[in-house]
Amino acid sequence: GAVVSQHPSRVICKSGTSVKIECRSLDFQATTMFWYRQFPKQSLMLMATSNEGSKATYEQGVEKDKFLINHASLTLSTLTVTSAHPEDSSFYICSARLGQTNTEAFFGQGTRLTVV
Amino acid sequence: GNSVTQMEGPVTLSEEAFLTINCTYTATGYPSLFWYVQYPGEGLQLLLKATKADDKGSNKGFEATYRKETTSFHLEKGSVQVSDSAVYFCALSGRNGQNFVFGPGTRLSVLP
Repeated sequence: GAVVSQHPSRVICKSGTSVKIECRSLDFQATTMFWYRQFPKQSLMLMATSNEGSKATYEQGVEKDKFLINHASLTLSTLTVTSAHPEDSSFYICSARLGQTNTEAFFGQGTRLTVV
Repeated sequence: GNSVTQMEGPVTLSEEAFLTINCTYTATGYPSLFWYVQYPGEGLQLLLKATKADDKGSNKGFEATYRKETTSFHLEKGSVQVSDSAVYFCALSGRNGQNFVFGPGTRLSVLP
Protein backbone atom coordinates (compact mmCIF):
# COMPACT_ATOMS: atom_id res chain seq x y z
CA GLY A 1 0.00 0.00 0.00
CA ALA A 2 0.87 3.66 -0.19
CA VAL A 3 3.14 5.07 2.48
CA VAL A 4 2.69 8.29 4.41
CA SER A 5 5.59 9.41 6.54
CA GLN A 6 5.23 11.87 9.38
CA HIS A 7 8.08 13.62 11.14
CA PRO A 8 8.98 14.03 13.92
CA SER A 9 7.37 11.20 15.84
CA ARG A 10 7.89 12.97 19.14
CA VAL A 11 8.67 16.55 20.04
CA ILE A 12 8.91 18.46 23.27
CA CYS A 13 8.89 22.23 23.13
CA LYS A 14 8.65 25.17 25.48
CA SER A 15 5.53 27.29 25.82
CA GLY A 16 5.49 30.12 23.33
CA THR A 17 7.61 28.43 20.70
CA SER A 18 6.43 27.05 17.36
CA VAL A 19 6.65 23.49 16.14
CA LYS A 20 6.47 22.23 12.56
CA ILE A 21 5.24 18.74 11.70
CA GLU A 22 5.82 17.30 8.25
CA CYS A 23 3.65 14.83 6.38
CA ARG A 24 4.97 13.23 3.22
CA SER A 25 3.43 10.83 0.76
CA LEU A 26 6.41 8.69 -0.23
CA ASP A 27 5.23 6.79 -3.25
CA PHE A 28 2.21 8.65 -4.53
CA GLN A 29 1.01 12.17 -5.13
CA ALA A 30 -1.57 13.46 -2.70
CA THR A 31 -3.62 16.39 -3.88
CA THR A 32 -5.35 16.41 -0.53
CA MET A 33 -4.05 15.61 2.92
CA PHE A 34 -5.85 15.69 6.23
CA TRP A 35 -4.70 16.68 9.68
CA TYR A 36 -6.21 15.13 12.78
CA ARG A 37 -5.78 15.61 16.47
CA GLN A 38 -6.29 12.82 18.95
CA PHE A 39 -6.71 13.29 22.68
CA PRO A 40 -5.87 10.42 25.02
CA LYS A 41 -8.27 7.52 24.69
CA GLN A 42 -10.42 9.40 22.21
CA SER A 43 -11.12 9.24 18.52
CA LEU A 44 -9.60 11.36 15.82
CA MET A 45 -10.80 14.89 15.38
CA LEU A 46 -10.39 16.35 11.92
CA MET A 47 -8.64 19.69 12.15
CA ALA A 48 -8.24 20.69 8.54
CA THR A 49 -8.06 19.54 4.97
CA SER A 50 -4.87 20.52 3.20
CA ASN A 51 -5.09 21.18 -0.52
CA GLU A 52 -2.00 21.43 -2.69
CA GLY A 53 -1.49 24.93 -3.99
CA SER A 54 -4.38 26.50 -2.12
CA LYS A 55 -5.47 27.45 1.35
CA ALA A 56 -6.41 24.76 3.80
CA THR A 57 -10.00 24.24 4.86
CA TYR A 58 -10.33 24.32 8.62
CA GLU A 59 -13.01 22.62 10.68
CA GLN A 60 -15.20 24.70 12.92
CA GLY A 61 -13.49 25.65 16.15
CA VAL A 62 -9.95 25.16 14.86
CA GLU A 63 -7.87 28.35 14.96
CA LYS A 64 -6.33 29.05 11.56
CA ASP A 65 -3.69 31.37 12.95
CA LYS A 66 -2.60 28.86 15.54
CA PHE A 67 -2.43 25.81 13.32
CA LEU A 68 -0.80 26.90 10.10
CA ILE A 69 -1.03 24.45 7.25
CA ASN A 70 1.03 24.59 4.09
CA HIS A 71 0.71 22.14 1.20
CA ALA A 72 3.35 23.38 -1.20
CA SER A 73 3.83 20.23 -3.22
CA LEU A 74 1.95 17.07 -4.11
CA THR A 75 3.98 15.07 -1.62
CA LEU A 76 4.38 17.37 1.36
CA SER A 77 2.05 19.08 3.79
CA THR A 78 3.17 20.78 6.98
CA LEU A 79 1.35 21.70 10.15
CA THR A 80 2.90 24.42 12.30
CA VAL A 81 1.64 24.86 15.83
CA THR A 82 2.40 28.49 16.60
CA SER A 83 2.97 29.91 20.07
CA ALA A 84 2.35 26.51 21.58
CA HIS A 85 0.79 26.13 25.01
CA PRO A 86 0.46 23.09 27.24
CA GLU A 87 -3.15 22.59 26.12
CA ASP A 88 -1.83 22.02 22.60
CA SER A 89 -0.11 18.88 23.81
CA SER A 90 -1.66 16.04 21.86
CA PHE A 91 -1.15 13.37 19.24
CA TYR A 92 -1.32 14.79 15.71
CA ILE A 93 -1.88 12.50 12.74
CA CYS A 94 -1.92 13.23 9.03
CA SER A 95 -3.43 11.17 6.26
CA ALA A 96 -3.64 11.19 2.50
CA ARG A 97 -5.85 9.49 -0.02
CA LEU A 98 -5.03 8.08 -3.40
CA GLY A 99 -8.26 9.19 -4.99
CA GLN A 100 -11.17 11.49 -4.40
CA THR A 101 -13.99 9.16 -3.53
CA ASN A 102 -14.47 5.96 -1.63
CA THR A 103 -10.81 5.23 -1.36
CA GLU A 104 -8.98 4.28 1.76
CA ALA A 105 -6.85 6.75 3.64
CA PHE A 106 -3.23 6.14 4.52
CA PHE A 107 -2.00 7.51 7.79
CA GLY A 108 1.28 8.78 9.06
CA GLN A 109 2.64 7.31 12.26
CA GLY A 110 1.62 10.36 14.24
CA THR A 111 3.48 13.02 16.19
CA ARG A 112 3.33 13.22 19.96
CA LEU A 113 3.63 16.89 20.89
CA THR A 114 4.36 17.83 24.48
CA VAL A 115 4.46 21.51 25.40
CA VAL A 116 6.16 22.27 28.71
CA GLY B 1 -24.65 13.93 8.02
CA ASN B 2 -22.70 10.73 8.02
CA SER B 3 -21.88 9.10 11.32
CA VAL B 4 -20.38 5.92 12.77
CA THR B 5 -21.27 4.29 16.06
CA GLN B 6 -19.16 1.65 17.78
CA MET B 7 -19.68 -0.44 20.85
CA GLU B 8 -18.35 1.03 24.05
CA GLY B 9 -15.06 -0.28 25.30
CA PRO B 10 -12.78 -1.28 26.73
CA VAL B 11 -13.12 -4.90 25.76
CA THR B 12 -11.02 -7.40 27.70
CA LEU B 13 -10.69 -10.97 26.47
CA SER B 14 -8.57 -13.97 27.18
CA GLU B 15 -6.28 -15.29 24.49
CA GLU B 16 -8.07 -17.49 21.91
CA ALA B 17 -11.47 -16.00 22.75
CA PHE B 18 -13.91 -14.92 20.04
CA LEU B 19 -14.07 -11.22 19.30
CA THR B 20 -16.93 -9.09 18.04
CA ILE B 21 -16.83 -5.31 17.89
CA ASN B 22 -20.09 -3.83 16.68
CA CYS B 23 -20.19 -0.96 14.22
CA THR B 24 -23.22 0.71 12.67
CA TYR B 25 -23.33 3.68 10.39
CA THR B 26 -25.58 6.37 9.02
CA ALA B 27 -24.83 7.65 5.56
CA THR B 28 -26.43 8.85 2.39
CA GLY B 29 -25.77 6.82 -0.70
CA TYR B 30 -23.34 3.94 -0.70
CA PRO B 31 -20.26 4.59 1.40
CA SER B 32 -17.16 2.46 1.66
CA LEU B 33 -16.52 0.99 5.09
CA PHE B 34 -13.22 0.45 6.86
CA TRP B 35 -11.69 -0.88 10.02
CA TYR B 36 -8.47 0.73 11.18
CA VAL B 37 -6.25 -0.42 14.04
CA GLN B 38 -4.04 1.76 16.21
CA TYR B 39 -1.30 0.20 18.32
CA PRO B 40 0.02 2.16 21.31
CA GLY B 41 1.89 5.29 20.30
CA GLU B 42 1.40 4.72 16.59
CA GLY B 43 -0.73 6.02 13.75
CA LEU B 44 -3.62 4.17 12.19
CA GLN B 45 -3.23 1.17 9.94
CA LEU B 46 -5.87 -0.11 7.60
CA LEU B 47 -7.07 -3.50 8.80
CA LEU B 48 -9.73 -4.27 6.21
CA LYS B 49 -12.31 -2.64 4.00
CA ALA B 50 -15.47 -3.24 1.96
CA THR B 51 -16.70 -1.04 -0.82
CA LYS B 52 -20.18 -2.37 -1.54
CA ALA B 53 -23.04 -4.22 0.08
CA ASP B 54 -22.40 -7.88 1.00
CA ASP B 55 -18.65 -7.51 0.50
CA LYS B 56 -16.56 -9.18 3.16
CA GLY B 57 -13.25 -7.63 4.12
CA SER B 58 -10.68 -9.86 5.78
CA ASN B 59 -7.12 -9.61 7.01
CA LYS B 60 -4.98 -11.27 9.69
CA GLY B 61 -7.91 -13.44 10.80
CA PHE B 62 -10.25 -10.47 11.17
CA GLU B 63 -13.44 -10.26 9.11
CA ALA B 64 -16.26 -7.80 8.59
CA THR B 65 -19.23 -7.93 6.22
CA TYR B 66 -20.90 -4.86 4.75
CA ARG B 67 -24.59 -5.25 5.67
CA LYS B 68 -26.66 -2.58 3.99
CA GLU B 69 -29.96 -3.84 5.38
CA THR B 70 -28.75 -3.38 8.94
CA THR B 71 -26.24 -0.60 8.15
CA SER B 72 -23.59 -2.54 10.00
CA PHE B 73 -19.95 -3.57 9.60
CA HIS B 74 -19.17 -5.65 12.67
CA LEU B 75 -15.58 -6.78 13.20
CA GLU B 76 -14.98 -10.41 14.17
CA LYS B 77 -12.06 -12.69 14.88
CA GLY B 78 -12.34 -16.30 15.88
CA SER B 79 -9.32 -16.49 18.16
CA VAL B 80 -7.62 -13.35 19.45
CA GLN B 81 -3.99 -13.08 20.45
CA VAL B 82 -2.22 -10.84 22.92
CA SER B 83 -0.70 -9.01 19.96
CA ASP B 84 -4.21 -7.94 18.87
CA SER B 85 -4.42 -5.57 21.83
CA ALA B 86 -5.00 -2.16 20.29
CA VAL B 87 -7.69 0.40 19.55
CA TYR B 88 -9.99 -0.40 16.65
CA PHE B 89 -11.75 2.31 14.65
CA CYS B 90 -14.67 1.80 12.31
CA ALA B 91 -14.86 4.41 9.55
CA LEU B 92 -16.75 5.29 6.43
CA SER B 93 -15.99 7.28 3.33
CA GLY B 94 -18.67 8.78 1.16
CA ARG B 95 -18.80 8.71 -2.60
CA ASN B 96 -18.75 12.43 -3.13
CA GLY B 97 -15.27 13.08 -1.84
CA GLN B 98 -16.28 13.52 1.76
CA ASN B 99 -13.65 12.97 4.31
CA PHE B 100 -13.55 9.96 6.51
CA VAL B 101 -15.90 9.73 9.43
CA PHE B 102 -14.52 7.73 12.32
CA GLY B 103 -16.24 5.97 15.15
CA PRO B 104 -15.04 6.68 18.69
CA GLY B 105 -12.77 3.65 18.76
CA THR B 106 -12.90 0.49 20.86
CA ARG B 107 -9.95 -0.45 23.02
CA LEU B 108 -9.23 -4.18 23.06
CA SER B 109 -7.05 -5.83 25.67
CA VAL B 110 -6.19 -9.49 25.28
CA LEU B 111 -4.81 -11.24 28.35
CA PRO B 112 -2.51 -14.27 28.16
